[in-house]
Amino acid sequence: NAGVTQTPKFRVLKTGQSMTLLCAQDMNHEYMYWYRQDPGMGLRLIHYSVGEGTTAKGEVPDGYNVSRLKKQNFLLGLESAAPSQTSVYFCASSTYRWRDTQYFGPGTRLTVL
Amino acid sequence: AQRVTQPEKLLSVFKGAPVELKCNYSYSGSPELFWYVQYSRQRLQLLLRHISRESIKGFTADLNKGETSFHLKKPFAQEEDSAMYYCALAGGGSQGNLIFGKGTKLSVKP
Repeated sequence: NAGVTQTPKFRVLKTGQSMTLLCAQDMNHEYMYWYRQDPGMGLRLIHYSVGEGTTAKGEVPDGYNVSRLKKQNFLLGLESAAPSQTSVYFCASSTYRWRDTQYFGPGTRLTVL
Repeated sequence: AQRVTQPEKLLSVFKGAPVELKCNYSYSGSPELFWYVQYSRQRLQLLLRHISRESIKGFTADLNKGETSFHLKKPFAQEEDSAMYYCALAGGGSQGNLIFGKGTKLSVKP
């Protein structure tokens, strides 16, 4: 039981490049989330999904897109990376709703030059 | 607006001393509050939630609706408690976000 996994662990991009971060969970959770963590800012919600085939915007969605084609996977895409997107990205999942315990992945450290 | 405030960025105590990490929230409804912890090189994980009224690793937190606070306390800090602590608020019905505070870094010195 791996819980929540994220791929890749580290990535360096040049401004304007695109990439996709993959989150996978094996706990059959309905809800999945993408957060970014910046120094002094805590965790901020980028996008979330309440079930397969659904996505919704969080607090800081600009510059990101997401997809949830399969229940166990939640993809975060950066279409044209900018230095302001340098951050640590965390994926999380929960059973059903916001008030349930969220289980986090190990994080992806992204640097945009 | 929903908001979580953790006034201390860094809290440094000596081993064996009491520790209190402050958390204040702003929410007009009935909140559900959590403490999440991130140890060095580990993923963020739930420490405790107010609805469970449990004690985890010696930590407790009481919801004070009058003062809109959910402070995390431990009577005798251990070096292994050194970590980043985040207070979080869930509210707003089925579509309400989990709002995180900016976190407090706890450093327990030997």
